[in-house]
Amino acid sequence: SQQGEEDPQALSIQEGENATMNCSYKTSINNLQWYRQNSGRGLVHLILIRSNEREKHSGRLRVTLDTSKKSSSLLITASRAADTASYFCATGDDKIIFGKGTRLHILP
Amino acid sequence: DSGVTQTPKHLITATGQRVTLRCSPRSGDLSVYWYQQSLDQGLQFLIQYYNGEERAKGNILERFSAQQFPDLHSELNLSSLELGDSALYFCASSVEAGGYTEAFFGQGTRLTVV
Repeated sequence: SQQGEEDPQALSIQEGENATMNCSYKTSINNLQWYRQNSGRGLVHLILIRSNEREKHSGRLRVTLDTSKKSSSLLITASRAADTASYFCATGDDKIIFGKGTRLHILP
Repeated sequence: DSGVTQTPKHLITATGQRVTLRCSPRSGDLSVYWYQQSLDQGLQFLIQYYNGEERAKGNILERFSAQQFPDLHSELNLSSLELGDSALYFCASSVEAGGYTEAFFGQGTRLTVV
């Protein structure tokens, strides 16, 4: 089954800095999604990027997709305390499979 | 509020027991997914239903079963519970099946087996 693996597992940065998380997957995909999860709560969809797209923006989020390297990155610019959460990439056609996530901690 | 409702929010039960978790998807969503999240295993895909039919199966134990009813709500049944079944169980729904559209997650049911 397709599964993304996020890197790094954990990341701590100062408020105002940019945060970059990476996702690698194993097989060809049609879409890749990023989700955020605040501690113990349900996941929230951030962005979906299709295999024919290379970059997508949503507010302070920028997602890139490199299908030749089977990888994606999520950039959060000008981080805020409220961005502290776990971030997951997800792939799949018939089912949505999640990686284990990156735990992002924004320091005040 | 995602529009996906899961009940109960918390459940404490003894080993060997059977429980039923309920999920009401967002209005108009035909697809329902179930996930198990534990500290050491991440978010594990269990099963997916689309418009009442089982669409995809993941790492779901034989002791677990699920179904989607004609009104599109879904139930996840967990039986012969073991301590290791303690986890957060999430339901998600989407308009279409699979990863072509975003999924909306409920707030989860926290199951504690004692």
